[in-house]
Amino acid sequence: GAVVSQHPSWVICKSGTSVKIECRSLDFQATTMFWYRQFPKQSLMLMATSNEGSKATYEQGVEKDKFLINHASLTLSTLTVTSAHPEDSSFYICSARPGTAVWDEQYFGPGTRLTVT
Amino acid sequence: DQQVKQNSPSLSVQEGRISILNCDYTNSMFDYFLWYKKYPAEGPTFLISISSIKDKNEDGRFTVFLNKSAKHLSLHIVPSQPGDSAVYFCAATIQGAQKLVFGQGTRLTINP
Repeated sequence: GAVVSQHPSWVICKSGTSVKIECRSLDFQATTMFWYRQFPKQSLMLMATSNEGSKATYEQGVEKDKFLINHASLTLSTLTVTSAHPEDSSFYICSARPGTAVWDEQYFGPGTRLTVT
Repeated sequence: DQQVKQNSPSLSVQEGRISILNCDYTNSMFDYFLWYKKYPAEGPTFLISISSIKDKNEDGRFTVFLNKSAKHLSLHIVPSQPGDSAVYFCAATIQGAQKLVFGQGTRLTINP
């Protein structure tokens, strides 16, 4: 099946610094990529949707200046958490979907655990 | 406002028996539903889906039932196998929308 990778798988950073998370579709072109955040024992919350070559669409309550999303190519999207704070510590998961609009064909990365100290 | 709820955080089932995972939703506009399976350190993987025009969809050992009047769906796994031990998420969407809404997940443990 289709593979989506994320890098890094875990990262620890100091408060006030920025951290970048990469999401890559390895064997297909991802027209649309999604970024989710998951708190312990809670559901995956959609943060933003990005389409290649255009600006990301952020969900209500997600600060777009804090969570910078770039979808510069059909195989790569990045999420940069700027000026990270301990409350940004969470599990971030990306997903990617090829050119079709079928939800069955959404493929998830393994996630990135971010810890801000 | 949790539009999709999985009220059982965990479920334990004996190998060979039926596993039933439940999911409730509040938004009557949802018309497409999916189940995902997630192993530790991996992303969720798609299992099975159902459109609101159906009340049942079957794929091998997995069957999803949809009760629109009750706004309830369930995933049946039979027979349950040890490899089915994972966290299961249900998700809902409105077809054409660019967003899935997920439940909190249910951890299924299959005991030998």
